[in-house]
Amino acid sequence: EDQVTQSPEALRLQEGESSSLNCSYTVSGLRGLFWYRQDPGKGPEFLFTLYSAGEEKEKERLKATLTKKESFLHITAPKPEDSATYLCAVQAWGSDSWGKLQFGAGTQVVVTP
Amino acid sequence: DVKVTQSSRYLVKRTGEKVFLECVQDMDHENMFWYRQDPGLGLRLIYFSYDVKMKEKGDIPEGYSVSREKKERFSLILESASTNQTSMYLCASSQSSRGGYTFGSGTRLTVV
Repeated sequence: EDQVTQSPEALRLQEGESSSLNCSYTVSGLRGLFWYRQDPGKGPEFLFTLYSAGEEKEKERLKATLTKKESFLHITAPKPEDSATYLCAVQAWGSDSWGKLQFGAGTQVVVTP
Repeated sequence: DVKVTQSSRYLVKRTGEKVFLECVQDMDHENMFWYRQDPGLGLRLIYFSYDVKMKEKGDIPEGYSVSREKKERFSLILESASTNQTSMYLCASSQSSRGGYTFGSGTRLTVV
């Protein structure tokens, strides 16, 4: 069974204090790994898709990386507006996958001024 | 930008009521999904659909049904609402079987 585990559950950072979020996964064949950002009371917002080990994607202060067993979301010099819950999800190969995503429970990030 | 619109942001219903949650997407996406999100449990897939009139059970379909009569619209039905169905419900769509989702803003349902 596909599993996605995110750590830590919560992270409190000072503005400018860089850190990393972890997403470890177990899947029969990885079709894609996705990162989303979710603000309180809203739907998740797409950030990145990673398809193969060694791939990296960047957007402003965020950088996502992928290995064969895990992905990291690095937050460089965060600002208060980076406060959100970050969700990781995997998509597996298989005739019955139909594009389904398996989500982790998320990491809640709070950045204080 | 693809837009996924959920008809209600907040709903309060009574136990035993039949509840309809509506979702519409405007970019001709093939796949549509219904998830519920609960603290500590993350997003769990209820039902999904990869074509009009097609539906597949997700991980937690019990107590729910769905309808997809038109490509752009995917409805989630709670046949007889119960308090354990109090949750945030999220609708999403995707263009193909490989790729991420676009989510709606969510419906916060409270069953009393």
